[in-house]
Order: sequence, then C-alpha cells, then structure tokens
Amino acid sequence: AQSVTQPDIHITVSEGASLELRCNYSYGATPYLFWYVQSPGQGLQLLLKYFSGDTLVQGIKGFEAEFKRSQSSFNLRKPSVHWSDAAEYFCAVGQQDMRFGAGTRLTVKP
Amino acid sequence: ETGVTQSPTHLIKTRGQQVTLRCSSQSGHNTVSWYQQALGQGPQFIFQYYREEENGRGNFPPRFSGLQFPNYSSELNVNALELDDSALYLCASSLLASGKYEQYFGPGTRLTVT
Repeated sequence: AQSVTQPDIHITVSEGASLELRCNYSYGATPYLFWYVQSPGQGLQLLLKYFSGDTLVQGIKGFEAEFKRSQSSFNLRKPSVHWSDAAEYFCAVGQQDMRFGAGTRLTVKP
Repeated sequence: ETGVTQSPTHLIKTRGQQVTLRCSSQSGHNTVSWYQQALGQGPQFIFQYYREEENGRGNFPPRFSGLQFPNYSSELNVNALELDDSALYLCASSLLASGKYEQYFGPGTRLTVT
C-alpha cells in the first residue's frame, strides 16, 4: 500500500537560512511524487512534481526536490528561506488517488 | 485560464443533516477528485470522477457520494452528517489520460457539524 511519512511536524528556520523538509514514501511501483504548500485557510498549491527522468526537480518559488529511490525519499529544499514561505508543506505520492503525508509546518524567524 | 473554484466557502450543519458541496474544475480538465482534510492532518482521498463516473474511491462510507456533470463540474454529497465530518473539503481537477497526474486544488469548503 502506498503511504507517505513526513517525520518533522514543525520546523523553524531563520529568514535567509537554507531549508530541507523530509519525505519518505512507500509505493509498489515507480512513484509519482509531489510537494504542495498550504497557507492558513487556503487550498493546496503545487510546488513541484516527479514522474521520471532527472532525479533533481525544480519547482516554483525557488524550491527543488531530489528523488532518491534507494532511500525512498523525496526531500524538499530551498537555499534561502523568505518570510513568505511560512506555511504547511505536504508531500504526496500516487496517481489518481494521492496519499498525503501529515504535513510539516514551517515557521520563519525574522 | 480559470482555476478550480468551490462553493460555499463555509458551512455549518447539524448532525444527521445532509450537505452538498460544489466544485468547478479548471478549464481543460476532465477529472475531479475530492479530499477531506481534518484539522491538523493531510488531505485524505474520498473519490474521483472521470467522464461522469466514479473512477476510484478511498476508505469512506457510502453516505459520501458524488456527481460529475457534462461540463466537468462536480458535487460532493454527504448524508447523515456526523461530528467527525467536520473538516475542510478540497476539490482538485486534473487531465486524466495526459500522463500527467498533477492535481490542482480549489480553496476548499470548511464544513462544521454541530
């Protein structure tokens, strides 16, 4: 069965510092992987996706993620965090019936 | 290009009542999926509609049902509401058969059951 684990419930980083959000997945075949961001009271916005090919994928807002099959991971990174990046981040796996992790809440300190 | 829209934004219902939530898909998309997001949790897949037929269902009871219309808009109906149905209900549209499974989400409907 497919599943996603986001080990960090809450992360706090200083503005300008680098960021890495962890995601581990369980999936029987080649996974379709996604990262979404959700601001308070809002829907989900797609940051980036991985289907196949280059294992380092670039997304919007300066985010990137690296697919590592050997570690069943798809971690999200950003070299320099902005205050506007404070939000909830969700990793998801699947095709039609996506499975989401529980989310990681990002707080950005000034 | 019009994004995914949902109505209403907020809704308060009493236990035992029925509710209908609505979703208009992004232009060019032919598939609608519904998710339930309880407070502090990730979204959970309810079901998906493609060509007006249910195309997959998550672990939700039959009192959760849906429709898709010829213009690809969709409704989610929940009968016999329970307190645990209080959640943000998210609709997402996609273009099935394109080989690209990314889904685009609407802003959600916040349902409170009292």
